[in-house]
Amino acid sequence: DQQVKQNSPSLSVQEGRISILNCDYTNSMFDYFLWYKKYPAEGPTFLISISSIKDKNEDGRFTVFLNKSAKHLSLHIVPSQPGDSAVYFCAARPHGSSNTGKLIFGQGTTLQVKP
Amino acid sequence: NAGVTQTPKFRILKIGQSMTLQCAQDMNHNYMYWYRQDPGMGLKLIYYSVGAGITDKGEVPNGYNVSRSTTEDFPLRLELAAPSQTSVYFCASSYDGHYGYTFGSGTRLTVV
Repeated sequence: DQQVKQNSPSLSVQEGRISILNCDYTNSMFDYFLWYKKYPAEGPTFLISISSIKDKNEDGRFTVFLNKSAKHLSLHIVPSQPGDSAVYFCAARPHGSSNTGKLIFGQGTTLQVKP
Repeated sequence: NAGVTQTPKFRILKIGQSMTLQCAQDMNHNYMYWYRQDPGMGLKLIYYSVGAGITDKGEVPNGYNVSRSTTEDFPLRLELAAPSQTSVYFCASSYDGHYGYTFGSGTRLTVV
């Protein structure tokens, strides 16, 4: 069963507008959430993270929101740029995994930012 | 600073053949991981290591084996390749397991 789900396989936005990528998780046993970005033929790169004790974390154009009651995570990119076009993965770290760093990944959402 | 280096980038194997996917990191990271990515699926953890001499199974370990004799290297061995092992394999490392990984660029493996 998929514990971390990204239900939108793709998203297309206009340059300069906001991109919102969503992620849902199925249980409360995660203590840390991360977003990775992946370009074709490259490995994923770490983008931004948030602890389960927070509800927002911001880094430049990227903001991650965590709604624990809804078990929902979102990544906002403002303003979106063509170079943001990539596959975005959300990931979650299970409680008790801080000594191993194991992560569970969602399926990914392909973002296309049109000039 | 090369980061995480994976070799080869591409490989075609015949059913029943064996091979080793190489992974090396030069960041003195203690934690290393092997994930596979199938089309439309998230990355699934195969094996991981929290230090030299210590390895453990992840979510999908069957058909694979690993070793960690040095901090730098974490090879993944496929014995008796099967079509179900057709995938893109990513190696990753982390200094202390608490924050984001550094990934390699991947190995695309096709078993025919």
